[in-house]
Amino acid sequence: DQQVKQNSPSLSVQEGRISILNCDYTNSMFDYFLWYKKYPAEGPTFLISISSIKDKNEDGRFTVFLNKSAKHLSLHIVPSQPGDSAVYFCAASSNSGYSTLTFGKGTMLLVSP
Amino acid sequence: KAGVTQTPRYLIKTRGQQVTLSCSPISGHRSVSWYQQTPGQGLQFLFEYFSETQRNKGNFPGRFSGRQFSNSRSEMNVSTLELGDSALYLCASSLETYGYTFGSGTRLTVV
Repeated sequence: DQQVKQNSPSLSVQEGRISILNCDYTNSMFDYFLWYKKYPAEGPTFLISISSIKDKNEDGRFTVFLNKSAKHLSLHIVPSQPGDSAVYFCAASSNSGYSTLTFGKGTMLLVSP
Repeated sequence: KAGVTQTPRYLIKTRGQQVTLSCSPISGHRSVSWYQQTPGQGLQFLFEYFSETQRNKGNFPGRFSGRQFSNSRSEMNVSTLELGDSALYLCASSLETYGYTFGSGTRLTVV
């Protein structure tokens, strides 16, 4: 039972264009969502997060949108750069007091020059 | 400041053996979590320790165990290794509930 789903295993975008990575979740208890970026042979690095009390959070070229009613979030990267090519993981957590993250399976983003 | 350090980086073991992986969290971080990453399953939560106590455990068999020491360093152990245990094992430390920082992982290959 996958509680966090990233339905697109891969995404190809041209440099300068917008990249949109999507994530769906099923657990209504999730109230905090994070995006991590991962290069091969490295651990995931935190990118951006959003609390369920918000519907948008922006940090430079990265914006995360949350639609609670649809249980859907998306990460927008504008403009996309070749260095953004990596695997992006969506993760969710609930305010249970326990620090666990439930991850999606990731989307590999390839930004071509 | 130093990040999360995992040792060793790479490991090759034979089926049936056991293995111990080590994680040194960021100084001051008291929460340490372990995740397994495989191509088919993505990142899956193994367990989380806080102040030497296991606070939460994922859905893995009892062959997977861990512990945390008083200096917050953590180890995880896998006994009776199976081929399917081949994976990247990631450790993450946190000062607060949501502020996770991951190490580079230990790549375990079981042959």
